[in-house]
Amino acid sequence: EVQLVESGGGLVQPGGSLRLSCAASGFTFSSYDMHWVRQATGKGLEWVSAIGTAGDTYYPGSVKGRFTISRENAKNSLYLQMNSLRAGDTAVYYCARDGILGGFDPWGQGTLVTVSS
Amino acid sequence: EIVLTQSPATLSLSPGERATLSCRASQSVSSYLAWYQQKPGQAPRLLIYDASNRATGIPARFSGSGSGTDFTLTISSLEPEDFAVYYCQQRSNWPPVYTFGQGTKLEIK
Repeated sequence: EVQLVESGGGLVQPGGSLRLSCAASGFTFSSYDMHWVRQATGKGLEWVSAIGTAGDTYYPGSVKGRFTISRENAKNSLYLQMNSLRAGDTAVYYCARDGILGGFDPWGQGTLVTVSS
Repeated sequence: EIVLTQSPATLSLSPGERATLSCRASQSVSSYLAWYQQKPGQAPRLLIYDASNRATGIPARFSGSGSGTDFTLTISSLEPEDFAVYYCQQRSNWPPVYTFGQGTKLEIK
C-alpha cells in the first residue's frame, strides 16, 4: 500500500524555523517527483514546493527564499525546511506524490504548523 | 500567473441528481487539469487527471471534460458520499507552478 506520513508540525514563533518530514512507503520513492501543499483552516489548497527525481526544486513566489524542499532517497523521506515563518504560514501541510500522468496522488494525512507568539 | 476560478462556490443538490462543477482558467492551460475531492478532516483525493481521465478506483459516475480555459467535472448521479469540497488544479509549463481553484462545496439540499 502506498503511504505518506508527515511529521514535524507544531507551534513556532514568528520568525522561527521548522522542519517537516514525510515518510514514504509502498512505492519506489526515488522514481517520483514529490510535492508539499498547504491548507489554512477553512481555506483552499496552496502548492508550496516540488522536487524532481534529479533533485531539481520549484517554489511559488510566496515561499521562495524562505522554504527549502529536499529528499533523501535512501531513507524514502521528503523534507520541508521552513525559515522566517509568518502568521500567514499557519496551515496543515500535506506531502503528495506526483501522479506522473497528472495530478497529485496520493496525499499524506497532513501535519499542522501554527505560527504564533 | 494563471488563476483558476471555480463556480458555483456552493452547489446544493439531492442524492440522485446530476452535479456540474465549473473551473475556468484566466488563460489557456495545457491538458494538465486535475480535480480533487476533499471531505472534512481528510486529505484531498485525486479524481480526474489530464482533464478527462479518471484516477485509479474512481467510480464511473465522475467524469471530466473541457480544454483551453473551460473545464467541467460532472457527477452523473450523486451518492451520499459525494457531498464534499471539490478543487481543480493546473500546472504552468515552465517553470512548473501549480495552482488550485478556490473550491466548490457540494452540499446536500
